[in-house]
Amino acid sequence: AQSVSQHNHHVILSEAASLELGCNYSYGGTVNLFWYVQYPGQHLQLLLKYFSGDPLVKGIKGFEAEFIKSKFSFNLRKPSVQWSDTAEYFCAVNGNQGGKLIFGQGTELSVKP
Amino acid sequence: DAMVIQNPRYQVTQFGKPVTLSCSQTLNHNVMYWYQQKSSQAPKLLFHYYDKDFNNEADTPDNFQSRRPNTSFCFLDIRSPGLGDAAMYLCATSRTGTASYNEQFFGPGTRLTVL
Repeated sequence: AQSVSQHNHHVILSEAASLELGCNYSYGGTVNLFWYVQYPGQHLQLLLKYFSGDPLVKGIKGFEAEFIKSKFSFNLRKPSVQWSDTAEYFCAVNGNQGGKLIFGQGTELSVKP
Repeated sequence: DAMVIQNPRYQVTQFGKPVTLSCSQTLNHNVMYWYQQKSSQAPKLLFHYYDKDFNNEADTPDNFQSRRPNTSFCFLDIRSPGLGDAAMYLCATSRTGTASYNEQFFGPGTRLTVL
């Protein structure tokens, strides 16, 4: 079955701490991987995406993610978080023909000033 | 700016009273999706249109219908809303034949409350 699992439901960090959010997927065939962010009261925004090529992808606002095929993982990282990074983060996957996005259950990140 | 627009942003309806949510896009994308996101849960695909072809997810209740009168507009109809249908409804688009086909662009969502 196709699924995405995010390891942490709620993460609390202090400003300037480093962040790593885990994401593992189960999906047959070629995958496209995404991280979306949803700030309080706002819509889903794309942080970064992986289609092919360099497995280390850089996104907006200093975020990056690494695709490790052997581990079926696509973890999100940021070296130093800010209070403004407080949001919910969703990992998602779809296949090479696009279509349906399968989302993980989300990780709520709270950054303390 | 090209974008995905959803109206209204907030919708309140009564139990059993039909409701229609609207999505429009200026991206000229040929694929449009409707997702349901319940509180503290991940978005879940209800159905999508690939051009004019309607594709329903197997577990989408019959209570949910959709119409796409033209490329730019797509509607979500809930025939008899129940309390369990209270959620955020997200519209998304993508475009085939491009390198970024696999990426979806989301609207701001409509939050539906059922009284």
